[in-house]
Amino acid sequence: QVTLKESGPALVQPTETVTLTCTFSGFSLSTPGMRVNWVRQPPGKALEWLGRIDWDDEKRYSASLRTRLSISKDTYSDQVVLIFSNVDPSDTAAYFCARSSGVGASRDAFDIWGQGTMVTVSS
Amino acid sequence: DIQMTQSPASLSASVGDRVTVTCRASQLLSSYLHWYQQKPGRAPKLLIYAASSLQTGVPSRFSGGQSGTDFTLTISGLQPEDFATYFCQQTYKTPFTFGQGTKLEI
Repeated sequence: QVTLKESGPALVQPTETVTLTCTFSGFSLSTPGMRVNWVRQPPGKALEWLGRIDWDDEKRYSASLRTRLSISKDTYSDQVVLIFSNVDPSDTAAYFCARSSGVGASRDAFDIWGQGTMVTVSS
Repeated sequence: DIQMTQSPASLSASVGDRVTVTCRASQLLSSYLHWYQQKPGRAPKLLIYAASSLQTGVPSRFSGGQSGTDFTLTISGLQPEDFATYFCQQTYKTPFTFGQGTKLEI
């Protein structure tokens, strides 16, 4: 069974750096084509893709957030880490990680999602 | 960035109805278009991938279609558990982008 679970602080101060961890099981991020994506959703709003990391450590980021985001992986511990710097109240959102595959018929659809973790940015 | 224009923003329907949600892409996507269902406080769930392929375990009353840059999600015979918000997503090119969502209400 494939699962992903996000963890991190629920409340952070403006200008701080936030570290979110996605711990997954049931698949390997060493498998060719495998990817883990980060998506966020402000309360009552639409989904926004933040970035992804691939099995070969290639990374892609949202252009608007590129300077504040960093995604890394620890293949041995089956974790992906999102570091988000200089946060602002507008970054308040539920943050999700989701699996996709860049090979095969799925066309990179996000087939399994974590439950999400709510991050509130407030002083 | 590829823009995804989803309509309608909200939709009222009854159990047993047939409803259709539309997403229009700002450019051709081949079939790199997917549909998700999201219920309050929950993560999105993949329903349809590659425009028209039904994800394993999803009821056959859900179907997807494509005509050029227009994509549709149709639910035939609404069930009480189908009242939720639906999003489209393109994965043709990064940054991957989502539609604004369609809230399906009773």
